[in-house]
Amino acid sequence: QVQLQESGPGLVKPSGTLSLTCAVSGGSISSTNWWSWVRQPPGKGLEWIGEIYHSGSTNYNPSLKSRVTISVDKSKNQFSLKLSSVTAADTAVYYCARPTVTHGCWYFDLWGRGTLVTVSS
Amino acid sequence: DIQMTQSPSSLSASVGDRVTITCRASQSISSYLNWYQQKPGKVPKVLIYAASSLQSGVPSRFSGSGSGTDFTLTISSLQPEDFATYYCQQSYSIPRTFGQGTKVEIK
Repeated sequence: QVQLQESGPGLVKPSGTLSLTCAVSGGSISSTNWWSWVRQPPGKGLEWIGEIYHSGSTNYNPSLKSRVTISVDKSKNQFSLKLSSVTAADTAVYYCARPTVTHGCWYFDLWGRGTLVTVSS
Repeated sequence: DIQMTQSPSSLSASVGDRVTITCRASQSISSYLNWYQQKPGKVPKVLIYAASSLQSGVPSRFSGSGSGTDFTLTISSLQPEDFATYYCQQSYSIPRTFGQGTKVEIK
């Protein structure tokens, strides 16, 4: 079955760029799916960051759009997140997730285990 | 953005209780509403999608209802493993927004 695994630095300096990768195993990233990033600050709720299709089409959360880039690497079967100009408010567990569409409704039925990224000097 | 507001933010209940959590959208989202359960240190798990469809493998004590702006998640008989935080999420439009969560604690 398809599995997702996040990887990347756990510590990023303020004003730096957060970079994470999500490896897709057990299936092709070029399948008919979008691929998403969701984050959760410690002790707080979930925030959708954005999504990408294997063609490269993207949708971003307007609140983060000026700082976010999501890309896909089909040769490595993975997709990536870059978040620039980070502050302590970007400290969170970052999840990659795969939405499924049923009856026109998108829901996240597959998640990576999540990776904690701390923004600190 | 569509704002999702859950109530209550937390509740205390006993094993066997019937529990209802409400989610209200700031505008109509038809039936594009999902419910997730998250336990401490764990990944969110989808329980209900499209307002009332039970995800495969989820116990039948969980049910969802509603359309438009008002939705409910009901646990018919609370079990020890149900103590967790529950989130609603709309998929009607971008950005895909979540409610702030409802923490269900042991009474």
